[in-house]
Parts: sequence; C-alpha cells; structure tokens
Amino acid sequence: GIQVEQSPPDLILQEGANSTLRCNFSDSVNNLQWFHQNPWGQLINLFYIPSGTKQNGRLSATTVATERYSLLYISSSQTTDSGVYFCAVGGLGGTASKLTFGTGTRLQVTL
Amino acid sequence: KAGVTQTPRYLIKTRGQQVTLSCSPISGHRSVSWYQQTPGQGLQFLFEYFSETQRNKGNFPGRFSGRQFSNSRSEMNVSTLELGDSALYLCASSYGQGALTGELFFGEGSRLTVL
Repeated sequence: GIQVEQSPPDLILQEGANSTLRCNFSDSVNNLQWFHQNPWGQLINLFYIPSGTKQNGRLSATTVATERYSLLYISSSQTTDSGVYFCAVGGLGGTASKLTFGTGTRLQVTL
Repeated sequence: KAGVTQTPRYLIKTRGQQVTLSCSPISGHRSVSWYQQTPGQGLQFLFEYFSETQRNKGNFPGRFSGRQFSNSRSEMNVSTLELGDSALYLCASSYGQGALTGELFFGEGSRLTVL
C-alpha cells in the first residue's frame, strides 16, 4: 500500500513564527487531505488538496503530485494552532476513499 | 448542516464482551468509513460502506465488522474484546466513493476502553 511520511515529527515555535510541515507519499494519489486533531480527538479538515495550491487565512497548502509531496504552511502561528497535524492520502480508483495517514507532526506554539 | 455524529462518545467494556458503535453521516453523504486510532499504530483504516455494501476493508481480524443501513447510517461491531482494542474509533463520511470520493469529514469519535 501507499506509504506516507511526515516531517518533522515534533515542532516547537514561539507565537508569531512561521512553519512548514511536509508530507511525502510513495505512489500516485487521487485524494490528499490535511487535518488538525484537536485535544478531544476530532480530526478537523484543513485542506482537501490532491494537487495545486490553496489558502485559508494564515494556512496554505501545496501539493506537487508529480513529485509526491505536499506542504502545509502556517504563518504567524498562535497558541491555538497547537496540536497534531496529519496528512492522509487515498490511492487511485476504488482506493481513493481508503485513507492512509502519516504519523503526524506534533506542533506546540508557546508565548 | 449537522456534521458526522458518533455515539456513544465514551464507553468502558471488559475483555470478552462485544461493543457496537454508531455513526450518522452528513446529510446527503452516502459513504461511511471507519478508522481506529491507537498510540502505537496511529490511524488505521477499518472498512468503508457505500450504498449498504462494503467497498474496502483494512487489515483487521474478523472480530471487527460493520454494516450500513438504507439511510446511510452505519454501525461497527467488535466482538470478543481484547485489551488491544482500546482505541479512539473515528467515523468519516463523504459524498462519493472510490475515485469520486472527494473530501472526507470525520466525527468526534468513540473512545473505547477495554479492561
């Protein structure tokens, strides 16, 4: 199956700093999503981005499908950005709905 | 519109018992999939249902089963519970299936503790 690697595994930032999270995947994908898991466990949708670039406020994401990676940018980080960020991918055809998750990046934003 | 609803949110069982978890997808969504999250294994795909049929299945033993009803609501069942089944079980819904899946939306999860 598809392998998904996220880096870095842990990240500590001061409030106001910028960061880039990376997701590498091993095969062609039809589905790629970025999630933020809140302290209660719910996965909050950030981006649905199998290719291209999207922006939503302080967050933006880019997926280069031909090179099999995606980047999540967080600018002017806030303490509320703390938590675990997951990248998840779905393969081609019937497996697009079967998401494979990376191990996540744990982000801590300090004052 | 309402999101994905999972019940119960928390439950405690003992080894050997069985458990049933419920998931109501977003209105209009026809695909429901289930995931297990543990500290050791991370987030793993269990199975997916679309139009009351299982379309994809992960690598879990037969003790894990599920079904989908005509209104798209889904249940998953774990029989003969083991300590290792303690986990957060997450349900996701999407409009389509397979290559037409689009974005998946997750519920808040059901946290199962097996004693």
